[in-house]
Amino acid sequence: ETGVTQSPTHLIKTRGQQVTLRCSSQSGHNTVSWYQQALGQGPQFIFQYYREEENGRGNFPPRFSGLQFPNYSSELNVNALELDDSALYLCASSSNPGYTDTQYFGPGTRLTVL
Amino acid sequence: RKEVEQDPGPFNVPEGATVAFNCTYSNSASQSFFWYRQDCRKEPKLLMSVYSSGNEDGRFTAQLNRASQYISLLIRDSKLSDSATYLCVVNGNSNSGYALNFGKGTSLLVTP
Repeated sequence: ETGVTQSPTHLIKTRGQQVTLRCSSQSGHNTVSWYQQALGQGPQFIFQYYREEENGRGNFPPRFSGLQFPNYSSELNVNALELDDSALYLCASSSNPGYTDTQYFGPGTRLTVL
Repeated sequence: RKEVEQDPGPFNVPEGATVAFNCTYSNSASQSFFWYRQDCRKEPKLLMSVYSSGNEDGRFTAQLNRASQYISLLIRDSKLSDSATYLCVVNGNSNSGYALNFGKGTSLLVTP
């Protein structure tokens, strides 16, 4: 196993609600990236945190926001949930945000928006 | 145009067959290339990195052609346990923290 953990495993919300997903990075890793994977699609990059600062962002609206804590764990917050937000949310940790640094994925949180 | 494109399949092959997956990418400045494997409803797991010189890991061989912006994965002597979705992955640029760009995945089913 990668040592990357995510909680909760599954979540059901209704449109308009807010959700917080959590990720604990692998020991020694200071970088966390979040991805959204819709059914039948590859994961899409949401944003990355490096040493508690946002270090890059994909094409997602501002209602997707994040946070990284001093222990390098991270949260993904989504406000005003829409039906299309239903997906598997993956976090990945790496030792640094470089192109040579392998990203290790957690098991994901499966979010269903009704 | 999507940054990473791959044939979604599905590829249905008998045990013992050789199967090849292909992938193209659009960003010529990309510096890292990978194949990830994803089992149904699980997280992606790194299968192998892909180097310009080509690399092999047991029954798996990966090739990279930078001039054509083309990546391939060859699986020899397919096993039932190889059934999964194979994701072609290319790193982004420094503005995104070298975030990974994934293709949609190619589905492989190995049958007895």
